[in-house]
Amino acid sequence: DIQMTQSPSTLSASVGDRVTITCRASQSISSWLAWYQQKAGKAPSLLIYKASSLENGVPSRFSGSGSGTEFTLTISSLQPDDFATYYCQQYNAYPVSFGQGTKLEIK
Amino acid sequence: QVQLVESGGGVVQPGRSLRLSCAASGFAFSDYAIYWVRQAPGKGLEWVAVISYHGYNNNYAASVKGRFTISRDNFRDTVYLQMSSLRAEDTAVYYCARDRCSGGSCQLNSFDIWGQGTMVTVSS
Repeated sequence: DIQMTQSPSTLSASVGDRVTITCRASQSISSWLAWYQQKAGKAPSLLIYKASSLENGVPSRFSGSGSGTEFTLTISSLQPDDFATYYCQQYNAYPVSFGQGTKLEIK
Repeated sequence: QVQLVESGGGVVQPGRSLRLSCAASGFAFSDYAIYWVRQAPGKGLEWVAVISYHGYNNNYAASVKGRFTISRDNFRDTVYLQMSSLRAEDTAVYYCARDRCSGGSCQLNSFDIWGQGTMVTVSS
């Protein structure tokens, strides 16, 4: 099974900051990686698929990069609505697996 | 409006069964694979099961294999998750989600539409 590890687990930042979250896979997953945002009490929503493709309707301040085993999600200028938990997901093979999550908090 | 709506959650005793439903609307349901994903209280996301668009293929997480069964009714635009021999560790919010790709040429994909979730509590 492929293990996904995110870092950091918690990130404190301010509105306007540029932030980066890292996700590492235990083996190569090519570009079969997605990023999701989840707000408290809500379902996750898709931000990025295939490592770097922006889902329709997602603001352009979100971007993804990487391939193989190392990936990043970058938010170029944090907005108040961005404070949430972020998960990476590999869909290279079953079982599908998620990272443990990164909680983005207001500093 | 494209949406998925889960139902059927509740409180159930260990060892008992429960069936969840995921009703779709606003899109060509029979063209899409559907997944179940769960989230234990305060924890991360865990993939549970998937069923192909036509219903002939499925796959399960090791933690539920042999206890949970996924099925679909493409006439009713609904996916089901039959859960049996429930354990305390099955306690979670259960989400259904749609594969981002439609049709027979699709392989495993990201999940672009999610339902609001239904809570399952396994407790005596």
